[in-house]
Amino acid sequence: GAGVSQSPSNKVTEKGKDVELRCDPISGHTALYWYRQSLGQGLEFLIYFQGNSAPDKSGLPSDRFSAERTGGSVSTLTIQRTQQEDSAVYLCASTFRRGRTEAFFGQGTRLTVV
Amino acid sequence: ELKVEQNPLFLSMQEGKNYTIYCNYSTTSDRLYWYRQDPGKSLESLFVLLSNGAVKQEGRLMASLDTKARLSTLHITAAVHDLSATYFCAVEKETSGSRLTFGEGTQLTVNP
Repeated sequence: GAGVSQSPSNKVTEKGKDVELRCDPISGHTALYWYRQSLGQGLEFLIYFQGNSAPDKSGLPSDRFSAERTGGSVSTLTIQRTQQEDSAVYLCASTFRRGRTEAFFGQGTRLTVV
Repeated sequence: ELKVEQNPLFLSMQEGKNYTIYCNYSTTSDRLYWYRQDPGKSLESLFVLLSNGAVKQEGRLMASLDTKARLSTLHITAAVHDLSATYFCAVEKETSGSRLTFGEGTQLTVNP
């Protein structure tokens, strides 16, 4: 596609429910990142995928968070048993090659846990 | 741990004035980026700075990098209302998987 596409754009969920956020990176981009933007925390790195390498999960805040990337393209971020502190905008970014170009960001998914 | 600090965090200025946003970072880095974010929108890449002394300009914005001082600046010349947005600097280290570590952001408001 022309840019990084994320869905849904907005998601309201009840505390304790599971949610899945989707990211479709720019075609041909091999690196994919998830970040979280929340009030008081700024922009935080969550997880990084590069090609077929094992993902760097060091930014995931708890074991309720997981992500996968199928076929080296689309990625899904899953949050289990959502808590109110999970409310944030979740941003996905992709780059053509690791470290060689700037990351292009999607529009984000605004998650609200009520 | 890499830390990135921006100042000021809030900036209100009049059209036609000049100002500079500062971005300090705590350890050596490979690249420094400036992004713009409009309310409710995603991040738009403005500049990529690769080496010491790098200077890039686009319209009324100019970014520079001093790796020895671990400092980048974003200079705004003759501000216009359309520049109102939040500006983030972000630092990348390849040894950290090329993840970006962001500053807190500077919320710029340009008043007519």
